[in-house]
Amino acid sequence: GQSLEQPSEVTAVEGAIVQINCTYQTSGFYGLSWYQQHDGGAPTFLSYNALDGLEETGRFSSFLSRSDSYGYLLLQELQMKDSASYFCAVRDGGSGYALNFGKGTSLLVTP
Amino acid sequence: NAGVTQTPKFQVLKTGQSMTLQCAQDMNHEYMSWYRQDPGMGLRLIHYSVGAGITDQGEVPNGYNVSRSTTEDFPLRLLSAAPSQTSVYFCASSTLGTGNTGELFFGEGSRLTVL
Repeated sequence: GQSLEQPSEVTAVEGAIVQINCTYQTSGFYGLSWYQQHDGGAPTFLSYNALDGLEETGRFSSFLSRSDSYGYLLLQELQMKDSASYFCAVRDGGSGYALNFGKGTSLLVTP
Repeated sequence: NAGVTQTPKFQVLKTGQSMTLQCAQDMNHEYMSWYRQDPGMGLRLIHYSVGAGITDQGEVPNGYNVSRSTTEDFPLRLLSAAPSQTSVYFCASSTLGTGNTGELFFGEGSRLTVL
């Protein structure tokens, strides 16, 4: 089977840094993706890691350790608009196609 | 740029009724998929397709049918709606092949209520 675990809720202060962790179990690994979803909206793609290490895109960075089946999303200089749900996702290890999501982390940024 | 278009955006059904959620994409994506989203459950995959004529089941396929007669369209059919199918449904598509990043493009969602 396949599973992804991430915290259900995280709260942080505007301007701070927050890290959202994701651990996964999958029979075959094709990379870890992150998505953002604001209330009432559709998920949007943030980042993708296929190899170990840190990928940086502006205020957002994503890290992967394949040996630990672990990754995280790092959000810096938090803004109120970053309040949203964040999902990690991996492709199904069998088919290599279907993208399966974690249950999501609700991030609340407070003043 | 249309991207992924879902219709209808809102629908109310009675138990036992049937309906089809439409999904179309204009990006020539090989991969298309349907998810349902319920509070606290994240996005759960219902069915997916890697090309015309090819479909496969995801995590929660029961009660839903799909077909893929063209690259552009991937409709989701509820044959006999049940209250447990009350949810928000998202259609999503992506390319496949070398260098694929797993980036899915989502439609705006269809909010379905079954009474």
